[in-house]
Amino acid sequence: DQQVKQNSPSLSVQEGRISILNCDYTNSMFDYFLWYKKYPAEGPTFLISISSIKDKNEDGRFTVFLNKSAKHLSLHIVPSQPGDSAVYFCAASEGSTGKLIFGQGTTLQVKP
Amino acid sequence: NAGVMQNPRHLVRRRGQEARLRCSPMKGHSHVYWYRQLPEEGLKFMVYLQKENIIDESGMPKERFSAEFPKEGPSILRIQQVVRGDSAAYFCASSRDRFNQPQHFGDGTRLSIL
Repeated sequence: DQQVKQNSPSLSVQEGRISILNCDYTNSMFDYFLWYKKYPAEGPTFLISISSIKDKNEDGRFTVFLNKSAKHLSLHIVPSQPGDSAVYFCAASEGSTGKLIFGQGTTLQVKP
Repeated sequence: NAGVMQNPRHLVRRRGQEARLRCSPMKGHSHVYWYRQLPEEGLKFMVYLQKENIIDESGMPKERFSAEFPKEGPSILRIQQVVRGDSAAYFCASSRDRFNQPQHFGDGTRLSIL
């Protein structure tokens, strides 16, 4: 029972263009959402988060959009850079304990 | 991932031995979470601890696995009588609070069972 899904295993984008990574969830009790970037042999690095009371949060080149009615969130990276090439995980938490439920990840490749 | 320290980075054990994984949270963080990533899978929650207390262990196998976060010292994830299926990357994360606060991860311990 996958409560958080990233349906695209991989994405390839040209340097300078926009990268859009998508994530769907099923549990309407989730109230906090996060995006992490992960390189091989390292732990996930926190990128950006959004509370369920908002529909958009922006931090530099990274913007997260939340559509609660569709139970969908997306991460926009613009402009994309070769150093952004990594695996991106979306995660969701329910307020009671804060434990994170992760998607399966999307591998982003940014080509020079 | 500076801040959350995990050791060892790599641990090799034979079947039946015990594995002890350590995690020191970021300064000022009193909430610790353990996750496991099996080969070809995503990260799965195991246990959530706040100083000296286990808050949620719903993701931890009922047998052989235990966790603690003592008043002094790091959090410990202990696996007794390891089996091949325990081979995985184990990640620790910490946060300031359980509510609407990002969790920051260490670089993990890669456990290999011979």
